[in-house]
Amino acid sequence: GQQVMQIPQYQHVQEGEDFTTYCNSSTTLSNIQWYKQRPGGHPVFLIQLVKSGEVKKQKRLTFQFGEAKKNSSLHITATQTTDVGTYFCARGGSNYKLTFGKGTLLTVNP
Amino acid sequence: EADIYQTPRYLVIGTGKKITLECSQTMGHDKMYWYQQDPGMELHLIHYSYGVNSTEKGDLSSESTVSRIRTEHFPLTLESARPSHTSQYLCASSPSGGSSDTQYFGPGTRLTVL
Repeated sequence: GQQVMQIPQYQHVQEGEDFTTYCNSSTTLSNIQWYKQRPGGHPVFLIQLVKSGEVKKQKRLTFQFGEAKKNSSLHITATQTTDVGTYFCARGGSNYKLTFGKGTLLTVNP
Repeated sequence: EADIYQTPRYLVIGTGKKITLECSQTMGHDKMYWYQQDPGMELHLIHYSYGVNSTEKGDLSSESTVSRIRTEHFPLTLESARPSHTSQYLCASSPSGGSSDTQYFGPGTRLTVL
């Protein structure tokens, strides 16, 4: 399947700092989804982006879909210890399968 | 949170044993999936199903098999477990209709093969 590249692989921040993870594709994405997996837990759906240039917010989280629909980002403002986990992007397809990125592991120093 | 269940949550078993990992969902979702994930690593799709009597192999080759006799149930079986099968197995389901292919994950089964 077509891959999505996610960077960075790891990010360590001090509590209160901002955090951003990026998801890139060489081909146009029909949609992009974001999931969060807490340590020892399972992935939990956060959001789906479908439209070019779309921006969605969930409290301190801001999700963006690029104008060309080839990249996406997740930005967390003023991180908290509860934000710790791995954030995955996943590209959707017409066959209802998701292709997940390798994830960005966020650790937060209190 | 979605109503999707996996049992057992943890399993330690010896080489050569046959095991079945259970996955059930009560949401009436047609689409179900099995992923394999090593700690801190990416998710690899190993099986999926679009409905009853439909099963397909995923992107990562696996020695496991699956069945889908009932909509709510999607068990995964390993006929002869080996240490290389040690991993976390995550089951997911997705609702039918519309353009959304959002997946809801179960809590996972952590399998250790000695």
